[in-house]
Amino acid sequence: DQQVKQNSPSLSVQEGRISILNCDYTNSMFDYFLWYKKYPAEGPTFLISISSIKDKNEDGRFTVFLNKSAKHLSLHIVPSQPGDSAVYFCAASVNNNDMRFGAGTRLTVKP
Amino acid sequence: DAGVIQSPRHEVTEMGQEVTLRCKPISGHNSLFWYRQTMMRGLELLIYFNNNVPIDDSGMPEDRFSAKMPNASFSTLKIQPSEPRDSAVYFCASRGVTHTQYFGPGTRLTVL
Repeated sequence: DQQVKQNSPSLSVQEGRISILNCDYTNSMFDYFLWYKKYPAEGPTFLISISSIKDKNEDGRFTVFLNKSAKHLSLHIVPSQPGDSAVYFCAASVNNNDMRFGAGTRLTVKP
Repeated sequence: DAGVIQSPRHEVTEMGQEVTLRCKPISGHNSLFWYRQTMMRGLELLIYFNNNVPIDDSGMPEDRFSAKMPNASFSTLKIQPSEPRDSAVYFCASRGVTHTQYFGPGTRLTVL
């Protein structure tokens, strides 16, 4: 049962433009959401998170938006840089218990 | 802090052999997670521990898989006997008081 879904396996954008990565979830009990970034041959690293009581969280070039009614969140990267090329995982949890991950989206930022 | 440490980084074995993956969590973290990453299913949670106690092992594929956490600084994931379909990257992660899990570099397992 895939409770967190990332329907786009890949995304390609030009350097300097906006990257938008999307994530949908089915469990309305999720109360915390996170984005992780993964480079080849490394473990995922935490990027940004948002609590379900908020609808937006911003950290530098990265902004996460949460739409609870649609059970949808997105990660915006502005401006995109070649170093942002990686696989991005969306994750969600309930009461800080175990975390469910999406399948990931491979972002390629072209110079 | 050295971060989460996993060993070995790569493991190649033959079908039917026993495989043991090891993890040392970040000191002070009280939760530990084992994940498996495959192309088809992304990151799957296999099992997690709170204060060395297994809380949810519903993600463990079958009886061939077992995990232990004998103390706060060490955990193992064992596959016996291994099969080619077990080939994947296995990650260990630990968590303290916040929501953020910190991942190790992973063990790439190849079962021939």
